[in-house]
Amino acid sequence: AQKVTQAQTEISVVEKEDVTLDCVYETRDTTYYLFWYKQPPSGELVFLIRRNSFDEQNEISGRYSWNFQKSTSSFNFTITASQVVDSAVYFCALSEAQGSGGGADGLTFGKGTHLIIQP
Amino acid sequence: DAGVTQSPTHLIKTRGQQVTLRCSPKSGHDTVSWYQQALGQGPQFIFQYYEEEERQRGNFPDRFSGHQFPNYSSELNVNALLLGDSALYLCASSLNLAGVTSYEQYFGPGTRLTVT
Repeated sequence: AQKVTQAQTEISVVEKEDVTLDCVYETRDTTYYLFWYKQPPSGELVFLIRRNSFDEQNEISGRYSWNFQKSTSSFNFTITASQVVDSAVYFCALSEAQGSGGGADGLTFGKGTHLIIQP
Repeated sequence: DAGVTQSPTHLIKTRGQQVTLRCSPKSGHDTVSWYQQALGQGPQFIFQYYEEEERQRGNFPDRFSGHQFPNYSSELNVNALLLGDSALYLCASSLNLAGVTSYEQYFGPGTRLTVT
């Protein structure tokens, strides 16, 4: 069975600080996909990034960066120079690839990390 | 480019009643997944529909059922509502087409169901 663990329930930092959100996953599949989603107070989940299990290259997008390490089954998310607008609940999620017919399985989410950026 | 839409936004039902929630996928998407998000928790996968059939199901009882229509829109039905069914129900769409499958799921704003 697959599992995603986000050990940090809540993180509070002052604006402009860097912050890292941790994500550890478990899966028996060799092909899988990892995701990060942002859920602002409005409730709608916003897709941030997808990573394939066969691509360990780290990625940077503006102030956001992601570190994927298969050796430790981790997919951590770092926000550099945080801003108040980054305040939200962030979810890490895992999806295993389906068999013939393509597509991906339903997502397994962690419990989320509530990030609070104080001005 | 229309995103995922869901209706209604909010719903209040009484224990034992039945409810139907609706979802229209993002333009160009053919696969719809449903999730239940209890307060303070991460979303939990209910089931996924593709080509008008239930393709995969999470750990939810048979009281939860669904349907997908030829235009890819979908319904989630919950029978014999329990107090514990109170949650935010999220619909997500994705594309499953040979050669262009997108594994990202895009979510709608959700339907907030309250069971009293």
